[in-house]
Amino acid sequence: DQQVKQNSPSLSVQEGRISILNCDYTNSMFDYFLWYKKYPAEGPTFLISISSIKDKNEDGRFTVFLNKSAKHLSLHIVPSQPGDSAVYFCAASASQTGANNLFFGTGTRLTVIP
Amino acid sequence: ETGVTQTPRHLVMGMTNKKSLKCEQHLGHNAMYWYKQSAKKPLELMFVYSLEERVENNSVPSRFSPECPNSSHLFLHLHTLQPEDSALYLCASSQLHGPYGYTFGSGTRLTVV
Repeated sequence: DQQVKQNSPSLSVQEGRISILNCDYTNSMFDYFLWYKKYPAEGPTFLISISSIKDKNEDGRFTVFLNKSAKHLSLHIVPSQPGDSAVYFCAASASQTGANNLFFGTGTRLTVIP
Repeated sequence: ETGVTQTPRHLVMGMTNKKSLKCEQHLGHNAMYWYKQSAKKPLELMFVYSLEERVENNSVPSRFSPECPNSSHLFLHLHTLQPEDSALYLCASSQLHGPYGYTFGSGTRLTVV
């Protein structure tokens, strides 16, 4: 049973435009969410996170939005650059469990077209 | 240097071979993880070690055997694997109690022939 879902396996965006990557989750206990970026032949690298006490977190070109009622989060990249082309993983954890176990989605492959 | 180093980067092994994957972290983390990434599947958590003790084993076949001799090193011993075990094996580390993100290594691309 997949608790974190990324329903779009791929996304293509023109350079300079906005990229929006979506993620849905089912476990209402999740209270911390992260986005990871992965290039081929490399491990995932942390990109940005958000706690459930917030609904938005911004870091440069990257903004994560959290809609708790809809159990939905999204990552906005603006403006998109060719170097952003990678696979993006959404992840979630439930800190109340006391363990730092992350649950990952299947990833969305972003291609930014020059 | 990402802080989490995995060796080897690539490994091709026969089904009767025995090999080991190594992971090393110098971040002062107290939890380490093995993940498997297969094509078109989510990252699958295999093992979790906390303070050098295994705290989770997600129904992983016994042909995968983890070892954590200290808080900085993690091994995954492999024997009599199947072709379907071919995947990218990722090691990660973190603080045990979150919420904190994980730091991943670059992974070992394993091919079983």
